[in-house]
Amino acid sequence: DADVTQTPRNRITKTGKRIMLECSQTKGHDRMYWYRQDPGLGLRLIYYSFDVKDINKGEISDGYSVSRQAQAKFSLSLESAIPNQTALYFCATSGPGNTEAFFGQGTRLTVV
Amino acid sequence: QQQVKQSPQSLIVQKGGISIINCAYENTAFDYFPWYQQFPGKGPALLIAIRPDVSEKKEGRFTISFNKSAKQFSLHIMDSQPGDSATYFCAARSGSNYKLTFGKGTLLTVNP
Repeated sequence: DADVTQTPRNRITKTGKRIMLECSQTKGHDRMYWYRQDPGLGLRLIYYSFDVKDINKGEISDGYSVSRQAQAKFSLSLESAIPNQTALYFCATSGPGNTEAFFGQGTRLTVV
Repeated sequence: QQQVKQSPQSLIVQKGGISIINCAYENTAFDYFPWYQQFPGKGPALLIAIRPDVSEKKEGRFTISFNKSAKQFSLHIMDSQPGDSATYFCAARSGSNYKLTFGKGTLLTVNP
């Protein structure tokens, strides 16, 4: 089994719909992250969480929200999806020093 | 504000050649510099990393060169192979909160 599992792997949704992307990890790490990948823009941090009670905004948090349901689970929500949120989304987890981040396989989201 | 600048955006190398990817950073508070490798359909995975107290780190065919005074670091792939074809991201870690800032990525193609 993968260390970091994201569901769904692919999703097409309509503008204005609410959508949730889920992430679970088996590494036992406290830190979890959501990134967005766009061609030519690299990986940009949306939200991160250092433990269950800690949630922090990243560089592009507008239009997104997160929930840390447990140490192993971190979900990303788009309350009202818009087409420019079409992207590849990655969840990651790391240990305290973040010397190695473990990424999921990604969720390809298309908003039409 | 792009804190980690990566070049080139794409690179084509012949099998057996040397691939070189460069990154520059601005924030002197960065304290750890990893490189991530991403194959199509997969999440990024740590390839090699360096701390600023050393000027070079080598792991097999992969070498990081680090110039602290110039605030630049580069990845060298010796004897490049078609299996090295992937997207490469440099990153820099904040010394205060251990967040990673990624470069925009380099798509490497190694022709047989």
